[in-house]
Amino acid sequence: KNEVEQSPQNLTAQEGEFITINCSYSVGISALHWLQQHPGGGIVSLFMLSSGKKKHGRLIATINIQEKHSSLHITASHPRDSAVYICAVRSTGNQFYFGTGTSLTVIP
Amino acid sequence: GAGVSQSPSNKVTEKGKDVELRCDPISGHTALYWYRQRLGQGLEFLIYFQGNSAPDKSGLPSDRFSAERTGESVSTLTIQRTQQEDSAVYLCASARGSVGKLFFGSGTQLSVL
Repeated sequence: KNEVEQSPQNLTAQEGEFITINCSYSVGISALHWLQQHPGGGIVSLFMLSSGKKKHGRLIATINIQEKHSSLHITASHPRDSAVYICAVRSTGNQFYFGTGTSLTVIP
Repeated sequence: GAGVSQSPSNKVTEKGKDVELRCDPISGHTALYWYRQRLGQGLEFLIYFQGNSAPDKSGLPSDRFSAERTGESVSTLTIQRTQQEDSAVYLCASARGSVGKLFFGSGTQLSVL
């Protein structure tokens, strides 16, 4: 059983659509990270959350600690948003667990 | 420099040889992490350094893997007697503190022939 589960695994959207990627975890956490990996492998940290909600441009990340669930939303999606989005948690035991990623393709 | 720097960017080695990978974190970042990503797989945590505390080595896959970091400076990841399954991109990240936002290096692509 994976400590971090992401859904969907693959997602194709039309440009302009609202996108949601979900992450559920089974361990107690001190922080949750949303990462973006572009073709070619470069990884960018989008958000680090321990509670509530954060917004950066068209990206919004929320976390519900009681439900052990986080969502990453992309508003007005664009082809340049095409990437793999990875959810990672740092447990209270100071271990990192990663989801397998959601591959997003935004079609013009 | 402004970001996390890793070297070399690419390394090709023969099975059985030792390799050393380097990570230069952002100045002032006390936390440093090593990960690897094998082809088609997700990120895998290897080791975590926080300041002068004992490192968290729980992700190291075997005793052929070791890492060092002196204080809050450069870290080296050493893989002894490399095997083909060690082929992966090895990523380093640093953060300001134990729960800070992660900043990633561009990785070292290791190919073991």
